[in-house]
Amino acid sequence: DTGVSQNPRHKITKRGQNVTFRCDPISEHNRLYWYRQTLGQGPEFLTYFQNEAQLEKSRLLSDRFSAERPKGSFSTLEIQRTEQGDSAMYLCASSSTGTGGQETQYFGPGTRLLVL
Amino acid sequence: RKEVEQDPGPFNVPEGATVAFNCTYSNSASQSFFWYRQDCRKEPKLLMSVYSSGNEDGRFTAQLNRASQYISLLIRDSKLSDSATYLCVAGYNKLIFGAGTRLAVHP
Repeated sequence: DTGVSQNPRHKITKRGQNVTFRCDPISEHNRLYWYRQTLGQGPEFLTYFQNEAQLEKSRLLSDRFSAERPKGSFSTLEIQRTEQGDSAMYLCASSSTGTGGQETQYFGPGTRLLVL
Repeated sequence: RKEVEQDPGPFNVPEGATVAFNCTYSNSASQSFFWYRQDCRKEPKLLMSVYSSGNEDGRFTAQLNRASQYISLLIRDSKLSDSATYLCVAGYNKLIFGAGTRLAVHP
């Protein structure tokens, strides 16, 4: 399977704990995006990388959130001191620039986080 | 006001019906437009890109009106398998999603 993969698929944690999610993009894609989705809403943009550079961060991304893409391949999203309001589906998407036309983002299956 | 607004539905239609979804976007700098489909508890999957000239893919037709910042999706001859949430998207690099329109096709 050469699609976007995310691990873990599910995570249950207690309030105050730190969690880390991983995303492996489609191999030739240079852009990687993180979104968050809560019930009844569409995905909300969090941040994105072009290669290893983090180019934009949403104001939704508080100081407790950090994302990295150290070698321009996989990415991690860490949430420190989790709160119940962090419970959501965290989606990763990847895309390739320079292919002409509209840049299409392909989504991974998501990591569903529940903070108790 | 949300950047991308769409009717949440649900639209309950019989098989074979034609159904139309509309959405509006507020950021005139948006350059990329899409419809994604999302099944319950699954990730969004690209249904089709949307262009000003209008584009068609089988039973699906999408249209973009930049002047009025309006995007539409028409589904003809609805199938049971079309039941899902349809997400309207506008963006430039990052994608801005609407909250989705739920479609339920019944026999």
